Amino acid sequence: QVQLQESGPGLVKPSETLSLTCSVSGVSIRSTSHYWGWIRQPPGRGLEWIGSIYHSGNTYYSPSLKSRVTISIDASKNQFSLKLSSVTAADTAVYFCARLRGLDALDIWGQGTMVTVSS
Amino acid sequence: SYVLTQPPSVSVAPGKTARITCGGNNIGSKSVHWHQQKPGQAPVLVIYYDSDRPSGIPERFSGSNSANTATLTISRVEAGDEADYYCQVWDNDSDCVVFGVGTKLTVL
Repeated sequence: QVQLQESGPGLVKPSETLSLTCSVSGVSIRSTSHYWGWIRQPPGRGLEWIGSIYHSGNTYYSPSLKSRVTISIDASKNQFSLKLSSVTAADTAVYFCARLRGLDALDIWGQGTMVTVSS
Repeated sequence: SYVLTQPPSVSVAPGKTARITCGGNNIGSKSVHWHQQKPGQAPVLVIYYDSDRPSGIPERFSGSNSANTATLTISRVEAGDEADYYCQVWDNDSDCVVFGVGTKLTVL
């Protein structure tokens, strides 16, 4: 079955760059029917979409994060990645990767990874 | 940007029907998806494209969408349905995925 797994450092210093990778198994990331996305959830709060990417490299980003976010894809490894620059404590959250049907429904979620921004 | 409005909480007795609403300007023209999130877990898609159920989701979960309100209906509520529920759309005008703030369903 389709599975997504996030990986990356659990602790990032303020002003540095947060980097996470999502490894996809059970389906090719080159699927023409799906986008791949990142979502985060600060402690005790709701879900916030960060951005989505297609296998061609086409991306959509949240306007509030666009200046600091880069999402990329490595089809040879069946992975996609998130970079968020100039992080502050407000970026502390659980980060989820997910598969999207087209641009639309997030139908498969990773288990999530907690990232804390602290010196 | 597009805003989705959900009640913060809904309470229901076991065996009864829970209805969770998601309001948005002309939301009936968009496809609405619903996600269930239990404490400490990742969200799970329970309804997509307004009223479709992914495989493995009980028939007790259903959805509707019209005018300015989409509704997630959970029939014969069980204790295991207690969770946060988020509505979600793709907004073509802003090219963004948008989530509602979430509704905490409490089973009394």
